[in-house]
Parts: sequence; C-alpha cells; structure tokens
Amino acid sequence: DIVMTQSPDSLAVSLGERATINCKSSQSVFDNSYNKNYLAWYQQKPGQPPKLLIYWASTRESGVPARFSGSGSGTDFTLTINSLQAEDVAVYYCQQFYSVPRTFGGGTKVEIK
Amino acid sequence: QVLLVQSGAEVKKPGASVKVSCKASGYTFRNYDINWVRQTTGQGLEWVGWMNPISGNTGYAQNFQGRATMTRDNSISTAYMELRSLRSEDTAVYYCVRRAGLGHLDYYDHWGQGTLVTVSS
Repeated sequence: DIVMTQSPDSLAVSLGERATINCKSSQSVFDNSYNKNYLAWYQQKPGQPPKLLIYWASTRESGVPARFSGSGSGTDFTLTINSLQAEDVAVYYCQQFYSVPRTFGGGTKVEIK
Repeated sequence: QVLLVQSGAEVKKPGASVKVSCKASGYTFRNYDINWVRQTTGQGLEWVGWMNPISGNTGYAQNFQGRATMTRDNSISTAYMELRSLRSEDTAVYYCVRRAGLGHLDYYDHWGQGTLVTVSS
C-alpha cells in the first residue's frame, strides 16, 4: 500500500497570509505513460463531507477559488492557500489514486492565528 | 446538481450487519463508479472499495474482503454497502463517493453526506 504522510498536523495562519501543506507518498504516484500525478486534495469543514479541491496534483476543480493551488511531482506535493480567508478553516487531506487501495494522508488542520 | 443522499445513522451490536444506502440524482447513475470511504476518529479516511453500476463488478480493500458487499439497484439509482461481522473498530462515518469518470479520472468529485454507524454492545 502507498502510505501518504502529511505535514504539519496543524497550522495557524493569519488572515491574508499563506498556508502551505505538504504531502509525501511512500512511492511515486506519477504515471509516465499519461504524464500525470495521481494525487488529489480535499477540504473538509466541520460537520461536512470532504470536498474535492485539486486533482492530478495541480488541476483545480471547477468552482474552487484561485487562491488554492497544488504543486509537486513523484512523491512530494504541496497545497498552498494564498491569502487565507476565514472560510478556509478546515482539515485538508491528500489522496493518491495511482494504485489500489486508494489511500489518504492523515490530514492537516488549518486555523486562523 | 449532483446529489448523493445516504440513509440515516445506525446503531449495531458487535457481530451484526449493517446496510447503508446511497441514492444518486442529478446525473446518469450507471455512468459513474461508486466508491465507499469511511472516516474514523483514530484512522482518518479509509477507502473501502468500488462498484461499477453497469456491470456490478466490485473491488474491496483487503481489510474489507469477505466482510463488505457493494450492490446497486439501477432502477432507483441507488447503491448499497453491507458490512458484516461488525466490531467496535467499524464505528465510523461511511461515505459514498462518485468517481469523477472513467480511466484516469479516479478521484472523487461528489460525496454523500455520510452515515454514522456505531457498533456498541
């Protein structure tokens, strides 16, 4: 199984500042034949199910604000929230869909400082 | 809009079974795989398995092989997940999720609201 490790477990960021979340996979999730990283990011607000933010490591889902961006390749990925807003308080998860079983990171809780 | 509406919370005793339903609307049910993901306080998000509504083909994570069964009723656009031989560690919120598409689109673009299953004697 591919193990997904997120860091930090939590972070507090001032409104308008940048939040950076890291995700590391135990093996590469890059598909050479399709030239894609099979990595998604989800946002979960309290009392709600997760919501898809980014797929293929850097493609924003329709309707997701441009302040959310994903980067990285192979085994190391980053979710960046530029200019943090109050509504961005949530837990963020990465997930690989390169191999079965699909696996998720442990989550990173983002709070306002 | 796409909606996945799940059945209500369940309380079960150890050793019992539970069957959770997931009714889809807003899209052609047969055209998208349904997966199930559970969320526990201790283990976070855990993938249970997948089902193709056209063929009925399924696949399960090893932890659920032999205990979970995913089925569907295409006439009412509803997917089901049954979990047997419940134990306290199965206490979790279970989500049905829609796979975004075929081939490489194997991420989850819509989630049900979740069903809390509590296993307690």
